[in-house]
Amino acid sequence: GNSVTQMEGPVTLSEEAFLTINCTYTATGYPSLFWYVQYPGEGLQLLLKATKADDKGSNKGFEATYRKETTSFHLEKGSVQVSDSAVYFCALVTWGNNRLAFGKGNQVVVIP
Amino acid sequence: EAGVTQFPSHSVIEKGQTVTLRCDPISGHDNLYWYRRVMGKEIKFLLHFVKESKQDESGMPNNRFLAERTGGTYSTLKVQPAELEDSGVYFCASSHGGGAGYGYTFGSGTRLTVV
Repeated sequence: GNSVTQMEGPVTLSEEAFLTINCTYTATGYPSLFWYVQYPGEGLQLLLKATKADDKGSNKGFEATYRKETTSFHLEKGSVQVSDSAVYFCALVTWGNNRLAFGKGNQVVVIP
Repeated sequence: EAGVTQFPSHSVIEKGQTVTLRCDPISGHDNLYWYRRVMGKEIKFLLHFVKESKQDESGMPNNRFLAERTGGTYSTLKVQPAELEDSGVYFCASSHGGGAGYGYTFGSGTRLTVV
């Protein structure tokens, strides 16, 4: 089946620090990969996506590259802001299967 | 366009009571999905509607959960009777098409607490 693994635990960092959140996956079939973000009090929002190997998704300064050889889709941002504080979820879906498989999510707290 | 709307945003009920959650998808989106996040765990798929038909309900945890989508517009998810382990955040999403090539728009979720 499909599954997504995110690194354990919350992430706390200072403003302007570099952020990396690891995401690895297993999939039956060829997956499309997503990062969703949930800001406090809001719903899940699509942050970025990649639909084939070596694609790079990017949005709001965040980037993630679809690495088929390592089955990974790590999220990075070079300089975080306080407004980036949120919960980040890695997810995938495979063609012919409409259900998204999510990781557990990582709470990111950026302190000024 | 208006987004996916869910209500209530929060609900606190006692064990054994009934709760009904509602989701209004984006107008024209035939596909509607329910997901649930129990605290500290993954967001799990519950079921998928295409218009008024249940396309996939394999994620529904047990027969205390009943989802409907009469007329292919809004959907309700009823939990009867509620148990403590039903606590969590229930998300609804809709999409124009199904599958990996289409975007899913999520609602803000309903936080359900069973005490």
